[in-house]
Amino acid sequence: GAGVSQSPSNKVTEKGKDVELRCDPISGHTALYWYRQSLGQGLEFLIYFQGNSAPDKSGLPSDRFSAERTGGSVSTLTIQRTQQEDSAVYLCASSLATGFYNSPLHFGNGTRLTVT
Amino acid sequence: AQKITQTQPGMFVQEKEAVTLDCTYDTSDQSYGLFWYKQPSSGEMIFLIYQGSYDEQNATEGRYSLNFQKARKSANLVISASQLGDSAMYFCAMRGARDFNKFYFGSGTKLNVKP
Repeated sequence: GAGVSQSPSNKVTEKGKDVELRCDPISGHTALYWYRQSLGQGLEFLIYFQGNSAPDKSGLPSDRFSAERTGGSVSTLTIQRTQQEDSAVYLCASSLATGFYNSPLHFGNGTRLTVT
Repeated sequence: AQKITQTQPGMFVQEKEAVTLDCTYDTSDQSYGLFWYKQPSSGEMIFLIYQGSYDEQNATEGRYSLNFQKARKSANLVISASQLGDSAMYFCAMRGARDFNKFYFGSGTKLNVKP
């Protein structure tokens, strides 16, 4: 089936504007993750969903960041009042089951966010 | 918290030679899983190989193998017969029992394969 789909692929926004990033996971994947990757850097964990609930929001950098997931499927990451330091690639990943160690993350192609 | 360390920011390898990318991890969990991902310049993250903490054999997937040394807490990726298309960033990651639903990633190693 289709892989993890993220939209938009690129987003340029002005400082202070709000942005919404969308992730459509692989069908049947109950776990959904958001990561952030700054240029040339590793992956920074943001938030994890199991179904529609988010047991772990510990990685959200500030209260300007929020995320929701509806119907156990699509997730939206919202950044309010964007700042230049929010510029990064935002990666979404989904996983088939959380009960097995060997269940890998499947990543989308990311949304490249540029705040001017 | 778990920690993954990749000490090689960049590596060069001649085409057709083998290369080892280092990964060490720090965890007090007895049960955990280790993963390697490839990220080409196009940006997508591609899952390569998995090793479980209780697996007795080193994992292999085609030209990829994982040199798992549990006592040393290392999980090095070995790529045999390097190809130009292997040029990419490589990330080591783990998930542990205590924080099962969180994957921890290393900072990555950029591999360049020379013709």
